[in-house]
Amino acid sequence: NAGVTQTPKFRVLKTGQSMTLLCAQDMNHEYMYWYRQDPGMGLRLIHYSVGEGTTAKGEVPDGYNVSRLKKQNFLLGLESAAPSQTSVYFCASSYSMVWDRGLEKETQYFGPGTRLLVL
Amino acid sequence: GENVEQHPSTLSVQEGDSAVIKCTYSDSASNYFPWYKQELGKGPQLIIDIRSNVGEKKDQRIAVTLNKTAKHFSLHITETQPEDSAVYFCAASIMDSSYKLIFGSGTRLLVRP
Repeated sequence: NAGVTQTPKFRVLKTGQSMTLLCAQDMNHEYMYWYRQDPGMGLRLIHYSVGEGTTAKGEVPDGYNVSRLKKQNFLLGLESAAPSQTSVYFCASSYSMVWDRGLEKETQYFGPGTRLLVL
Repeated sequence: GENVEQHPSTLSVQEGDSAVIKCTYSDSASNYFPWYKQELGKGPQLIIDIRSNVGEKKDQRIAVTLNKTAKHFSLHITETQPEDSAVYFCAASIMDSSYKLIFGSGTRLLVRP
């Protein structure tokens, strides 16, 4: 059980280049999320998915696209990278947070992060 | 939308002392408040959480308190140890179908041996 994994761990891009970050989870979680973390700003939600084939915008979605073609994978795409997208990106997954189910592990599990530098 | 403020941004304590980190939230509909610990080079990990129907929760050396009226919640770490040194994040969420977390800006805790 690997939990949440992210690929790649580190990447350097030039302005205008594109790339895709891959998140995979083996916990059969319904919900998946992409965050970015910048100094002094905590984690900000980019996009999220409540199930296979569905995606929704978070706080800071501009410049990013996502896809959830398989339940275990959540892809984050940058079509034309900008220096403002230099950040550490974290993926997370969770169970459905329905209170009356009494789930024990009602939390978001985070991956180890991807450090992206856009020059 | 929800806004979460966290204080202090840095905190230095002597080993064995207590540490307190405070957060305030803006949306009275928020009803779930987790705390995460992030060690260098790693993703955040949940250490404790509290729901709005509870005022306090403890787990060994850590505890969280919630004041719904004042819309603030706090993390308390007692008998701090060097391995408690990390960045701590509070978050708030409305437990609806999306389960979106809004994070505070983080507190860097340093426990001096």
